[in-house]
Amino acid sequence: EAGVAQSPRYKIIEKRQSVAFWCNPISGHATLYWYQQILGQGPKLLIQFQNNGVVDDSQLPKDRFSAERLKGVDSTLKIQPAKLEDSAVYLCASSRGLAPSYEQYFGPGTRLTVT
Amino acid sequence: DQQVKQNSPSLSVQEGRISILNCDYTNSMFDYFLWYKKYPAEGPTFLISISSIKDKNEDGRFTVFLNKSAKHLSLHIVPSQPGDSAVYFCAASARWRGGSNYKLTFGKGTLLTVNP
Repeated sequence: EAGVAQSPRYKIIEKRQSVAFWCNPISGHATLYWYQQILGQGPKLLIQFQNNGVVDDSQLPKDRFSAERLKGVDSTLKIQPAKLEDSAVYLCASSRGLAPSYEQYFGPGTRLTVT
Repeated sequence: DQQVKQNSPSLSVQEGRISILNCDYTNSMFDYFLWYKKYPAEGPTFLISISSIKDKNEDGRFTVFLNKSAKHLSLHIVPSQPGDSAVYFCAASARWRGGSNYKLTFGKGTLLTVNP
């Protein structure tokens, strides 16, 4: 089966600009996650969807970050306006369900550099 | 507040020997633990997991041990192979806000280098 797809793979923007990332999960996976991984850190969950509903966005900086999962399939994550500290790899993952026993499959990530 | 700690940023071992990666956690609500492996420019991939009701889980060359009283888990790789060279993340899961949702908390990772 095809893996989790993400685009773009790399993005360089100036601070205060906007940027959007796209994720296509594995077919049939109901749960979709966006993680932020800052250099030298582990992935940090930003938002989690179950189908097209948000189940956890407690760590999403909602003043500048937004995410949606229309039709319960693809998802986009947007940053507006970007700050220097947003430089990170943004990982999308999907799984069959919410329980931790359902393996999360990660995409290759989008490396964002904010200058 | 780092709830999952991997105190060794790096580890180097010889091919054929045992690799032992360690992880400590502070949140007693964690009830499921996972190890992920990450190669450069790729996303993490699931390696092995263990439920809090067990103290050992084995899958081929990989074994995870859980010591709940010490809030410590470890990943053993025997024998180590050069292809095992990667960053290994420990992750822990707890039920989120009493609902049916679970959230993974990751450690900072340990870079394992297996020398031929």
